[in-house]
Amino acid sequence: EVQLVESGGGLVQPGGSLRLSCAASGFTFSSYTMNWVRQAPGKGLEWVSYISGSSNTKYYTDSVKGRFTISRDNAKNSLYLQMNSLRDEDTAVYYCARWAPWGFVDYWGQGALVTVSS
Amino acid sequence: EIVLTQSPATLSLSPGERATLSCRASQSVSGFLAWYQQRPGQAPRLLIYDASNRATGIPARFSGGGSGTDFTLTISSLEPEDFAIYYCQQRNNWPWTFGQGTKVEIK
Repeated sequence: EVQLVESGGGLVQPGGSLRLSCAASGFTFSSYTMNWVRQAPGKGLEWVSYISGSSNTKYYTDSVKGRFTISRDNAKNSLYLQMNSLRDEDTAVYYCARWAPWGFVDYWGQGALVTVSS
Repeated sequence: EIVLTQSPATLSLSPGERATLSCRASQSVSGFLAWYQQRPGQAPRLLIYDASNRATGIPARFSGGGSGTDFTLTISSLEPEDFAIYYCQQRNNWPWTFGQGTKVEIK
């Protein structure tokens, strides 16, 4: 059974940093592109970042470029999102999401809440 | 960035009725469009990919159509568990983008 479990969320002050982790199981992690997608409270979905299986390709949405870094450790079946210089508008539930080989997300984690507030 | 506009924002229907949701793209996304369902407090669930292909385990009452800039999601006969928010999403151009969602609520 495919499982994606996020951790590392919490309350952080504006300008602070946080690192999210996603532990994957039930599939060959290194073979799959992975993503972070977020959802602000009561709002819609926004793609944050994308990383290929080999880490050769990474994409970021403009609003997080230069502040967030996506990475993975295939030996540990883990995906990460390092978030620096956090802003109020980064407050959201962050989902770890697997990209199916034929495109689109076929599995989602349960989400990790990040709250940026003073 | 490709903007996806969903309509209507809210659809009020009764169980057993047919639901038709629309998603319009600001430029062509070819057939690279998906539909997701999100129930309160849950992560999204993939329903349809590449405009018209049902994902694994999705009931046949869900169907998708369209290409280019205009797409539809149809639920042929609403079940109680179908009342939720539905999002379309494109993967033709980075950044992948979502529509703002259509809420299907019980009338």
